[in-house]
Amino acid sequence: KAGVTQTPRYLIKTRGQQVTLSCSPISGHRSVSWYQQTPGQGLQFLFEYFSETQRNKGNFPGRFSGRQFSNSRSEMNVSTLELGDSALYLCASSPRGANTGELFFGEGSRLTVL
Amino acid sequence: GENVEQHPSTLSVQEGDSAVIKCTYSDSASNYFPWYKQELGKRPQLIIDIRSNVGEKKDQRIAVTLNKTAKHFSLHITETQPEDSAVYFCAASLTDSWGKLQFGAGTQVVVTP
Repeated sequence: KAGVTQTPRYLIKTRGQQVTLSCSPISGHRSVSWYQQTPGQGLQFLFEYFSETQRNKGNFPGRFSGRQFSNSRSEMNVSTLELGDSALYLCASSPRGANTGELFFGEGSRLTVL
Repeated sequence: GENVEQHPSTLSVQEGDSAVIKCTYSDSASNYFPWYKQELGKRPQLIIDIRSNVGEKKDQRIAVTLNKTAKHFSLHITETQPEDSAVYFCAASLTDSWGKLQFGAGTQVVVTP
Protein backbone atom coordinates (compact mmCIF):
# COMPACT_ATOMS: atom_id res chain seq x y z
CA LYS A 1 0.00 0.00 0.00
CA ALA A 2 1.37 3.40 -0.94
CA GLY A 3 2.01 5.80 1.92
CA VAL A 4 0.89 9.38 2.32
CA THR A 5 2.16 11.48 -0.57
CA GLN A 6 2.78 15.19 -0.32
CA THR A 7 3.64 17.56 -3.15
CA PRO A 8 5.66 19.58 -3.69
CA ARG A 9 8.44 18.42 -1.38
CA TYR A 10 10.29 21.72 -1.44
CA LEU A 11 9.30 25.20 -2.47
CA ILE A 12 10.54 28.73 -2.11
CA LYS A 13 8.21 31.71 -2.11
CA THR A 14 8.50 35.40 -1.35
CA ARG A 15 6.53 37.39 1.18
CA GLY A 16 3.03 38.25 0.04
CA GLN A 17 2.70 35.30 -2.32
CA GLN A 18 0.39 32.38 -1.76
CA VAL A 19 1.05 28.66 -1.81
CA THR A 20 -0.98 25.49 -2.23
CA LEU A 21 0.19 22.17 -0.83
CA SER A 22 -1.28 18.82 -1.76
CA CYS A 23 -1.71 15.59 0.17
CA SER A 24 -2.84 12.17 -1.04
CA PRO A 25 -3.77 9.91 1.88
CA ILE A 26 -3.29 6.18 2.14
CA SER A 27 -5.94 4.38 0.13
CA GLY A 28 -9.02 3.87 2.27
CA HIS A 29 -8.13 6.56 4.79
CA ARG A 30 -10.81 9.21 4.93
CA SER A 31 -9.34 11.53 7.53
CA VAL A 32 -6.57 13.98 6.70
CA SER A 33 -4.86 16.28 9.17
CA TRP A 34 -2.29 18.99 8.63
CA TYR A 35 0.51 20.05 10.96
CA GLN A 36 3.12 22.77 10.86
CA GLN A 37 6.56 21.80 12.17
CA THR A 38 9.14 24.40 13.10
CA PRO A 39 12.23 24.19 15.32
CA GLY A 40 10.81 26.77 17.72
CA GLN A 41 7.16 25.73 17.93
CA GLY A 42 7.36 22.00 17.34
CA LEU A 43 4.38 20.26 15.77
CA GLN A 44 1.27 22.41 15.68
CA PHE A 45 -2.15 21.25 14.51
CA LEU A 46 -3.64 23.18 11.59
CA PHE A 47 -6.83 21.36 10.65
CA GLU A 48 -8.50 17.99 10.20
CA TYR A 49 -10.80 16.95 7.39
CA PHE A 50 -13.12 14.00 7.14
CA SER A 51 -15.59 13.32 4.34
CA GLU A 52 -14.86 16.71 2.78
CA THR A 53 -15.77 18.52 6.01
CA GLN A 54 -13.43 20.38 8.30
CA ARG A 55 -13.83 18.64 11.66
CA ASN A 56 -11.27 20.52 13.71
CA LYS A 57 -9.23 23.66 13.33
CA GLY A 58 -6.11 24.78 15.12
CA ASN A 59 -5.15 28.23 16.29
CA PHE A 60 -3.85 29.68 13.04
CA PRO A 61 -4.90 32.87 11.25
CA GLY A 62 -7.44 32.85 8.45
CA ARG A 63 -4.60 33.00 5.90
CA PHE A 64 -4.34 29.26 6.41
CA SER A 65 -7.12 27.30 4.76
CA GLY A 66 -7.72 23.84 3.46
CA ARG A 67 -10.14 21.55 1.77
CA GLN A 68 -10.73 17.90 1.08
CA PHE A 69 -12.01 16.35 -2.10
CA SER A 70 -14.38 13.44 -2.60
CA ASN A 71 -11.42 11.08 -3.17
CA SER A 72 -10.04 12.14 0.27
CA ARG A 73 -7.13 14.06 -1.24
CA SER A 74 -6.55 17.32 0.57
CA GLU A 75 -4.99 20.67 -0.14
CA MET A 76 -3.96 23.46 2.15
CA ASN A 77 -3.44 27.04 1.10
CA VAL A 78 -1.52 29.82 2.75
CA SER A 79 -2.14 33.31 1.42
CA THR A 80 -0.13 36.49 1.91
CA LEU A 81 2.93 34.57 3.03
CA GLU A 82 5.01 35.87 5.92
CA LEU A 83 8.59 35.00 6.85
CA GLY A 84 7.27 33.11 9.89
CA ASP A 85 5.36 30.71 7.65
CA SER A 86 8.64 29.02 6.73
CA ALA A 87 8.20 25.50 8.04
CA LEU A 88 7.76 21.85 7.25
CA TYR A 89 4.08 21.19 6.57
CA LEU A 90 3.11 17.63 7.39
CA CYS A 91 0.00 15.87 6.27
CA ALA A 92 -1.27 12.78 8.06
CA SER A 93 -4.03 10.36 7.24
CA SER A 94 -5.91 7.93 9.40
CA PRO A 95 -8.70 5.40 8.98
CA ARG A 96 -11.06 7.46 11.14
CA GLY A 97 -13.83 5.28 12.41
CA ALA A 98 -11.55 2.31 12.96
CA ASN A 99 -10.51 1.58 16.51
CA THR A 100 -7.11 3.17 16.10
CA GLY A 101 -5.79 6.68 16.47
CA GLU A 102 -2.57 6.15 14.55
CA LEU A 103 -1.71 8.97 12.20
CA PHE A 104 0.34 8.10 9.12
CA PHE A 105 2.46 11.08 8.18
CA GLY A 106 3.78 12.07 4.80
CA GLU A 107 7.34 13.28 4.29
CA GLY A 108 6.19 16.86 4.31
CA SER A 109 6.41 19.95 2.14
CA ARG A 110 9.23 22.24 3.18
CA LEU A 111 8.27 25.84 2.56
CA THR A 112 10.82 28.64 2.65
CA VAL A 113 9.55 32.21 2.55
CA LEU A 114 12.07 34.87 1.55
CA GLY B 1 -7.45 24.27 24.91
CA GLU B 2 -5.12 21.40 25.65
CA ASN B 3 -1.50 22.12 26.57
CA VAL B 4 1.14 19.40 26.74
CA GLU B 5 4.50 19.91 28.42
CA GLN B 6 7.36 17.50 27.80
CA HIS B 7 10.63 16.98 29.69
CA PRO B 8 13.52 16.77 29.25
CA SER B 9 14.20 18.52 25.98
CA THR B 10 17.39 16.50 25.48
CA LEU B 11 18.45 13.18 26.92
CA SER B 12 21.78 11.48 26.51
CA VAL B 13 22.08 7.83 27.58
CA GLN B 14 24.64 5.07 27.32
CA GLU B 15 23.71 2.12 25.17
CA GLY B 16 21.96 -0.45 27.32
CA ASP B 17 20.68 2.06 29.86
CA SER B 18 17.05 3.13 30.24
CA ALA B 19 15.50 6.39 29.07
CA VAL B 20 12.44 8.06 30.55
CA ILE B 21 10.51 10.96 29.05
CA LYS B 22 7.71 12.66 30.96
CA CYS B 23 4.71 14.65 29.78
CA THR B 24 1.91 16.49 31.51
CA TYR B 25 -1.39 17.59 30.00
CA SER B 26 -3.90 20.20 31.06
CA ASP B 27 -7.28 19.07 29.72
CA SER B 28 -8.81 16.37 31.90
CA ALA B 29 -11.10 15.43 28.99
CA SER B 30 -8.15 14.14 26.93
CA ASN B 31 -8.32 10.38 26.71
CA TYR B 32 -5.80 9.32 24.09
CA PHE B 33 -2.02 9.64 24.48
CA PRO B 34 0.27 8.57 21.63
CA TRP B 35 4.04 8.76 21.35
CA TYR B 36 5.73 9.46 18.03
CA LYS B 37 9.35 8.96 17.06
CA GLN B 38 10.95 11.15 14.42
CA GLU B 39 14.38 10.24 13.12
CA LEU B 40 16.46 12.95 11.50
CA GLY B 41 14.96 13.95 8.17
CA LYS B 42 12.17 11.40 8.46
CA ARG B 43 8.45 11.56 9.13
CA PRO B 44 7.02 11.05 12.65
CA GLN B 45 5.92 7.48 13.32
CA LEU B 46 3.73 6.11 16.08
CA ILE B 47 5.63 3.87 18.47
CA ILE B 48 3.06 3.30 21.20
CA ASP B 49 -0.18 4.77 22.48
CA ILE B 50 -2.40 4.50 25.51
CA ARG B 51 -6.00 5.32 26.29
CA SER B 52 -7.26 6.75 29.52
CA ASN B 53 -8.89 3.50 30.64
CA VAL B 54 -5.48 1.83 30.83
CA GLY B 55 -2.69 2.61 33.28
CA GLU B 56 0.23 0.96 31.51
CA LYS B 57 1.06 -0.57 28.15
CA LYS B 58 4.17 -2.37 26.98
CA ASP B 59 5.58 -3.29 23.61
CA GLN B 60 8.92 -5.06 23.77
CA ARG B 61 11.47 -2.52 25.03
CA ILE B 62 9.07 0.41 25.26
CA ALA B 63 6.33 1.09 27.79
CA VAL B 64 4.01 3.95 28.56
CA THR B 65 2.40 4.74 31.90
CA LEU B 66 -0.52 7.07 32.53
CA ASN B 67 -1.61 8.77 35.74
CA LYS B 68 -4.99 10.36 35.04
CA THR B 69 -5.27 11.91 38.48
CA ALA B 70 -1.99 13.75 38.13
CA LYS B 71 -2.50 14.26 34.39
CA HIS B 72 0.88 12.96 33.40
CA PHE B 73 2.20 10.12 31.26
CA SER B 74 5.65 8.77 30.62
CA LEU B 75 7.59 6.82 28.01
CA HIS B 76 10.12 4.26 29.16
CA ILE B 77 12.70 2.75 26.84
CA THR B 78 14.78 -0.08 28.27
CA GLU B 79 18.06 -1.51 26.97
CA THR B 80 18.54 1.46 24.65
CA GLN B 81 20.26 0.94 21.32
CA PRO B 82 21.85 3.44 18.91
CA GLU B 83 18.81 3.15 16.62
CA ASP B 84 16.70 4.59 19.44
CA SER B 85 18.40 7.95 18.80
CA ALA B 86 15.67 10.28 17.55
CA VAL B 87 13.25 12.99 18.67
CA TYR B 88 10.32 11.64 20.64
CA PHE B 89 7.01 13.53 20.85
CA CYS B 90 4.22 12.89 23.29
CA ALA B 91 0.72 14.02 22.41
CA ALA B 92 -2.81 14.17 23.76
CA SER B 93 -6.22 14.22 22.15
CA LEU B 94 -9.77 12.95 22.37
CA THR B 95 -10.64 9.60 20.83
CA ASP B 96 -13.35 11.24 18.76
CA SER B 97 -10.80 13.69 17.36
CA TRP B 98 -7.94 11.37 16.46
CA GLY B 99 -6.49 13.79 13.96
CA LYS B 100 -6.25 16.72 16.34
CA LEU B 101 -3.19 16.00 18.41
CA GLN B 102 -1.65 18.48 20.83
CA PHE B 103 2.04 17.63 20.77
CA GLY B 104 4.68 18.22 23.38
CA ALA B 105 7.82 20.09 22.35
CA GLY B 106 9.81 16.92 21.80
CA THR B 107 12.78 15.19 23.44
CA GLN B 108 16.04 14.67 21.54
CA VAL B 109 17.36 11.28 22.66
CA VAL B 110 20.99 10.43 21.92
CA VAL B 111 22.19 6.91 22.62
CA THR B 112 25.97 6.65 22.74
CA PRO B 113 27.66 3.27 22.17
